[in-house]
This record gives sequence, structure tokens and C-alpha cells, in this order.
Amino acid sequence: NAGVTQTPKFQVLKTGQSMTLQCAQDMNHNSMYWYRQDPGMGLRLIYYSASEGTTDKGEVPNGYNVSRLNKREFSLRLESAAPSQTSVYFCASSEGVGVQGAFFGQGTRLTVV
Amino acid sequence: LAKTTQPISMDSYEGQEVNITCSHNNIATNDYITWYQQFPSQGPRFIIQGYKTKVTNEVASLFIPADRKSSTLSLPRVSLSDTAVYYCLVGDTFTDSWGKLQFGAGTQVVVTP
Repeated sequence: NAGVTQTPKFQVLKTGQSMTLQCAQDMNHNSMYWYRQDPGMGLRLIYYSASEGTTDKGEVPNGYNVSRLNKREFSLRLESAAPSQTSVYFCASSEGVGVQGAFFGQGTRLTVV
Repeated sequence: LAKTTQPISMDSYEGQEVNITCSHNNIATNDYITWYQQFPSQGPRFIIQGYKTKVTNEVASLFIPADRKSSTLSLPRVSLSDTAVYYCLVGDTFTDSWGKLQFGAGTQVVVTP
């Protein structure tokens, strides 16, 4: 039982490049989330998906797009990476809309140069 | 939205009890109090959640006074492995308002021998 799996774990991009962060959960959870965490700060919600087929913006959605591919997978895409998007990205999932018992992945450390 | 305030950092020695107090003066009737723990280079991990009075599990205890304007996470007999950032979140985690819950900067707990 892997829980929440994120790929890749590390990535370096050049400004303007695009990439997709992948997230998959094997707990049959309805809700999935993408956060970013900058040094010394808490997590900020980028996008979330309350259920398969729905997505909603969080606190910092600009510069990102998401796709809830199916119940298991929720991807985050950076169309044109900027240095301000250098951060650690976490994916999470939970049974319902609520954060109670949300499970987080190990994170993706992204550097944009 | 209920804003939370918690200390930036706390130091402790092994074997001591650590109590982290979170203030949430404008907590709403339907709001729950949830605590997460985050180790370096890992995603946050759910510790405990409560609504009122006291909740205890194998990891921690959560004390909530009658007015619910604050809560205290208690970590009994800490060890070096309890060194982490602890986040207090307040919100109605059982409706679609969850997306607005904020982690904040958390409390950095450092346990030394």
C-alpha cells in the first residue's frame, strides 16, 4: 500500500519550460490536493479536486493547471515555469472534502533557473 | 475563516512534555481543530483532530477549553524524533469550505538530548 505517490522527486527547469507533476493515490479517496511550500513557510493550496471530474482553485492558482485524470490521479502542470515557482510541491488526498486524515506525498522539489 | 496563531518555535529536552497552544479566537460553531506534523523533507502527517474537551490517541493529546478559542497539543515524553514542525488548522472540514483551510507557518519544535 503506497499511499500517495508523487513523481518526480526532484526537477530542475529552465525559465519558460513546461512540465507536469504526477500524483497518484491508491486509497480510493475522493478528494485530492496540490500544495506548494516555500522555505520557512506553511503550505499553500494551489488547486484541489473534491471528486473525480471537478477541480477548484486554491489560494495560489496562477501559473498552474490541473487535471483530475481519474479517481486515482491528479496532475499539476506548469505551462511556462518561472523562478517564482521554485518550491516544494506536495500532493495530498483525503476520504471526503475535509482535511481530516489527509495523506500527503513525499513532495517534489522543483527548481526553476 | 478562523485565523490561528501559534508560537514560531519551542525547544525541549528528551523526556519532557511539550505543549503547543494555538489561538483561534473566531472559531465557528462547525469548525474542527486539526493538528499536523511535518518532518524535514516530508509531507505533513495528520496527528489528531478534535471539536471540544479532550482527545487522546497514541501520539498526542488535544485539549480544547469550553470556549474553544484556543487549543493545546500535548506531546508526552518527547524524543529526538519528535523534532518537527507542528501545524494547527481550524475549519469546517466536513463541507466544501475545506479548500480555504490554511496551514500557516507552524511551530518548529526542537528536541535536544
